[in-house]
Amino acid sequence: ELKVEQNPLFLSMQEGKNYTIYCNYSTTSDRLYWYRQDPGKSLESLFVLLSNGAVKQEGRLMASLDTKARLSTLHITAAVHDLSATYFCAVVISGSRLTFGEGTQLTVNP
Amino acid sequence: NAGVMQNPRHLVRRRGQEARLRCSPMKGHSHVYWYRQLPEEGLKFMVYLQKENIIDESGMPKERFSAEFPKEGPSILRIQQVVRGDSAAYFCASSPLRTDTEAFFGQGTRLTVV
Repeated sequence: ELKVEQNPLFLSMQEGKNYTIYCNYSTTSDRLYWYRQDPGKSLESLFVLLSNGAVKQEGRLMASLDTKARLSTLHITAAVHDLSATYFCAVVISGSRLTFGEGTQLTVNP
Repeated sequence: NAGVMQNPRHLVRRRGQEARLRCSPMKGHSHVYWYRQLPEEGLKFMVYLQKENIIDESGMPKERFSAEFPKEGPSILRIQQVVRGDSAAYFCASSPLRTDTEAFFGQGTRLTVV
């Protein structure tokens, strides 16, 4: 059974600081996704990572994938309050069925 | 091209009633997935359907829950005799004919059982 673990589960950081969220998964996967969810809202797709060594960046967020280590990271650079949300990684074994991590609840304090 | 449409957005049911949640996939999408999100948790897969077929229902509770995706009309997730533990957000996602493409999520239905 595929397991996806994120850490930390809760992250409180100050504006301007950097931090990394980690996502480990237990089985070889086709694809890995990062999503953002604001309270009471749906999921917003941030990144799709398809191959070993893939790196994608959008604004202050950068995601990478190491398929050999079964590890993805989401790096936050110079955090701002608007980044406060819950971030999920999700892994696909086949088709489009997603297995989600528990989520990392990020709070960026002024 | 409208996105994945779910309705209702919020649903309140008393214990023992039935809940029906609807999902209209994006135009051109024939694969539908249902996920459940309990408070403060990640999303958990429930069921994967194509038109008129249930492909994978390994995440569905054995009793009271059923899903369908008819030839015409939206996909329906039906919960009979709801209990307080069914209170959650239920999300639908759809993807096109090729299953190795990204699925797009609807806004979700927040079910509250009182």
